[in-house]
Amino acid sequence: GNSVTQMEGPVTLSEEAFLTINCTYTATGYPSLFWYVQYPGEGLQLLLKATKADDKGSNKGFEATYRKETTSFHLEKGSVQVSDSAVYFCALVTGNQFYFGTGTSLTVIP
Amino acid sequence: NAGVTQTPKFRILKIGQSMTLQCTQDMNHNYMYWYRQDPGMGLKLIYYSVGAGITDKGEVPNGYNVSRSTTEDFPLRLELAAPSQTSVYFCASSWDRGRANEKLFFGSGTQLSVL
Repeated sequence: GNSVTQMEGPVTLSEEAFLTINCTYTATGYPSLFWYVQYPGEGLQLLLKATKADDKGSNKGFEATYRKETTSFHLEKGSVQVSDSAVYFCALVTGNQFYFGTGTSLTVIP
Repeated sequence: NAGVTQTPKFRILKIGQSMTLQCTQDMNHNYMYWYRQDPGMGLKLIYYSVGAGITDKGEVPNGYNVSRSTTEDFPLRLELAAPSQTSVYFCASSWDRGRANEKLFFGSGTQLSVL
């Protein structure tokens, strides 16, 4: 079946630290991959996406590369800020349905 | 620009009570969805709609009902609330579905507790 597995949280980092949130997937067909972010008190919003193997999605300093050989889509940022504190969801869409990971809570401390 | 609006934000129900979670979008999207998120779990699809008058079950539809009388509104009904329905509920909408879908637009969620 289709599923997304992402690293357990919560994650706490100091400002300007390097961030990696791991995400792996199982899917039939050729999925598109996404990272969504949920800031406190808000709904999920799209952070970045990649639609085919080796594509790199990027936005707001975050990056993720679609790795078909390792079925992964890890989220990275070189220098996190306090404003990046949020919950991050990895997701895929295949066929007619989205599949979401469990979410990883990130807290960045000054 | 409002986007997707959900009400209420929080609600406590007693077992057996009923309620309706409201969802409205102002983007003229055809597709609308209801998800629930339980602690430590990903979002699970409850129901979805591909347009006014058309709804279909998702992964976890039991205990819920929906209707789609207009493009804008997609209410979710709980008829006999049970503790297993304690969760955070998200409404979402999109232009299209599946691989052609650019992204989902989400509401801010409803935190429901059934005691």
